[in-house]
Parts: sequence; C-alpha cells; structure tokens
Amino acid sequence: QQQVKQSPQSLIVQKGGISIINCAYENTAFDYFPWYQQFPGKGPALLIAIRPDVSEKKEGRFTISFNKSAKQFSLHIMDSQPGDSATYFCAANTFSGSARQLTFGSGTQLTVLP
Amino acid sequence: KAGVTQTPRYLIKTRGQQVTLSCSPISGHRSVSWYQQTPGQGLQFLFEYFSETQRNKGNFPGRFSGRQFSNSRSEMNVSTLELGDSALYLCASSRGQGSGNTIYFGEGSWLTVV
Repeated sequence: QQQVKQSPQSLIVQKGGISIINCAYENTAFDYFPWYQQFPGKGPALLIAIRPDVSEKKEGRFTISFNKSAKQFSLHIMDSQPGDSATYFCAANTFSGSARQLTFGSGTQLTVLP
Repeated sequence: KAGVTQTPRYLIKTRGQQVTLSCSPISGHRSVSWYQQTPGQGLQFLFEYFSETQRNKGNFPGRFSGRQFSNSRSEMNVSTLELGDSALYLCASSRGQGSGNTIYFGEGSWLTVV
C-alpha cells in the first residue's frame, strides 16, 4: 500500500516535444506529491509539487496533473530540451502522528534528443 | 543560502567494517531524513529525525542507525558492512515535518563496500 508505481522506465523525446511521466498510488494517506529531477552524480532536486486538493499545477514548462479519484498523477514537460535529460522521480509524502516519510517511484530516465 | 551538506562524498570500506556519514541540514531546518539509493531498489527511506528524536524508520536492519544533534546536524552509522550496502546515501532536510515543508536533498555520500 506504500508503493508508488512509475512509468515508463525510460523515455526518449525529440527536442521541442512533450515528455509525459505517470505515477499511480494506493495509499490515500499520501498528502503531498513532489517530483524530483536527478542528474548523474547529483542528489535529487525538487522540480515541482502538488497537494491532492489541486488538479493541476504549472511552473514554467513543467506541469503536474493530479487525478485524486484515479489515484494517479503525471508530470508533463513541454518543449523538452536536451538539458532536461535526467532521471525523474515521483514521490508521495505521508505524515502520520509525528512520523514523516517520502515514498519514491522507481524513476524514469528521460533522454531528449537534439 | 547553503544547501544540505554531506560528508564524506566518496568512501570505500571493507566488508565487516563500520561507517559514519554526516549531514548538515539547511540553516533553520529541523527535520533530517536519510535515504538509500541503489540501481536495483531505487530510493528507499531509512529514517527521519526531528528535534533530536527518531520519528520514523524504514525497513532496514538494525545495523543502520542514526542520530541528530541539538544543532540539527545528523549522522548515520552502518555497522558490520555488507557488499549490498554499497549505495548512494542521501540526506534531506526540511524546515518542519508537515506536508507543506519542502524536502531538499544533499549530493549524497557514495559508499562502496569491497
């Protein structure tokens, strides 16, 4: 029930195209859904995040779409650039009592071709 | 503003030894959590500390332990190292524990067990 399932495992997109990464969850206690971007040799960096009471959030070229009833959320990268080539992780946060935990998806390796 | 700082960045240990990793959170951040990242298992939650108390622990053996000091700095220790402990260990900090508190990651400590 703690799992977050992420797809696809890898994604190749042409420059200027749209990259779409999907995540699904089961635990309705998740209350915060961040996306992280990780470059080789670096730690994950927060990209964008959303709460379950919001259906969409946009920041620049990055948009999260959230479907609470379907327990799914997705990251859309518009006008994808070669510099966006990285591994993307969705995550879901639980905060119960005084305990907090981020559960991560398995990651999507995005390659944007020039 | 300095980010999350982890030391050492790289280390090689022999099976059976122990290791201590250090984390300095972002100034003003009181919550520190640790994650293990491996190619096979992805990002897995180890534990979270807030106000010098362990608030949550992931599904790892007792060989993995940690602590947090009064200045919010944290250390994690792995005893009796096994080859499978080779991983990137990531420290993350946030101002508080609530779901609205963004979690920021450090660059990680690369541990190789030989």
